[in-house]
Amino acid sequence: EDQVTQSPEALRLQEGESSSLNCSYTVSGLRGLFWYRQDPGKGPEFLFTLYSAGEEKEKERLKATLTKKESFLHITAPKPEDSATYLCAVQGLIGDYKLSFGAGTTVTVRA
Amino acid sequence: DSGVTQTPKHLITATGQRVTLRCSPRSGDLSVYWYQQSLDQGLQFLIQYYNGEERAKGNILERFSAQQFPDLHSELNLSSLELGDSALYFCASSVDSGRTEQFFGPGTRLTVL
Repeated sequence: EDQVTQSPEALRLQEGESSSLNCSYTVSGLRGLFWYRQDPGKGPEFLFTLYSAGEEKEKERLKATLTKKESFLHITAPKPEDSATYLCAVQGLIGDYKLSFGAGTTVTVRA
Repeated sequence: DSGVTQTPKHLITATGQRVTLRCSPRSGDLSVYWYQQSLDQGLQFLIQYYNGEERAKGNILERFSAQQFPDLHSELNLSSLELGDSALYFCASSVDSGRTEQFFGPGTRLTVL
């Protein structure tokens, strides 16, 4: 069964203080790794898809990278509006197309 | 706005009752996925439909069922509700069943009293 572990569980940052979130995964062949942002009580908002080791994607202050065992979401010079829970999910090659999610990292950025 | 719509936004009901949650996918998307999010379990995959047919099942209880209609909207039916069924239920859609991103709706918050 696909497994996704995210760390840390929570991250408190000062505005402008860059940091990284980790997503470790175990899957029998990776079809894709997905990053989502979720605000309280809202649906997950798609951020990135990564398909193969070495791939990188960027969007504003966020950059996602992928290795064969883990993915990182780097937040550069965060602003208070970057406060949210960031979810990592994997989709395996074998079987169905479901997403298996990690528990998420809750990021709080203070002004 | 992802383009995926879900109704109702909130639902409060009693144990033993039956409810129906509705989802309309993004225009052009053929696949619909249902997920349950609770505090202790995180986001869990329930079931997937592709162009009207069931494609995959996750840890969906026998008391739960779903279907996708010819216009591609989907309904999730929850029956004999228990307190533990209280959760956020999300619908997501994608263009097909392949390696494409899934776009999530705003969710339905179900409270079972």
